[in-house]
Amino acid sequence: AQSVTQLDSHVSVSEGTPVLLRCNYSSSYSPSLFWYVQHPNKGLQLLLKYTSAATLVKGINGFEAEFKKSETSFHLTKPSAHMSDAAEYFCVVSDPGDDKIIFGKGTRLHILP
Amino acid sequence: DAGVIQSPRHEVTEMGQEVTLRCKPISGHDYLFWYRQTMMRGLELLIYFNNNVPIDDSGMPEDRFSAKMPNASFSTLKIQPSEPRDSAVYFCASTSTGEQYFGPGTRLTVT
Repeated sequence: AQSVTQLDSHVSVSEGTPVLLRCNYSSSYSPSLFWYVQHPNKGLQLLLKYTSAATLVKGINGFEAEFKKSETSFHLTKPSAHMSDAAEYFCVVSDPGDDKIIFGKGTRLHILP
Repeated sequence: DAGVIQSPRHEVTEMGQEVTLRCKPISGHDYLFWYRQTMMRGLELLIYFNNNVPIDDSGMPEDRFSAKMPNASFSTLKIQPSEPRDSAVYFCASTSTGEQYFGPGTRLTVT
């Protein structure tokens, strides 16, 4: 069965500095992996997805994530944080042929001025 | 497309009352999911449908909760009777390719 662990519940970075949100997954197969973002009082929005094509995936708003099978990781990065990036981020895994997706518990990103 | 549509956006009700939440998925999507989000428990999958048929309702907390999907463009989540611990944001999501598209949510407050 698949599972996903987001290693940090809160991350604080200064505006203009890099962002790293960590995610490790467990899957018996070659999974599909996603990152979603949720701004305060909003629904969840897909940031990017990995589905066994290129291991480096580019998403919206300058975010990207790299699939590393050997480390079972799918960390989310951005070179330079912006105040508007303050939100909660969810790492998500899905096994092929499985209808459900499994959400991590979320990482709240705080941007310091 | 307008995206996933949920109504109402906010609902305040008294304990013991019936509450009905509504969802219109994106046209052409054959999967529909209902989630509940609270500070304490995070995001929980309640139930999901494929081609209007409930596939897995193991996340439904108890018999007070029920969900239906009478056609491909409409689903309801009903709570009867409601309790204060049901206060949460309820999200509906739909998909046909694996990546789920979420509605804006319904914020339910039960007093």
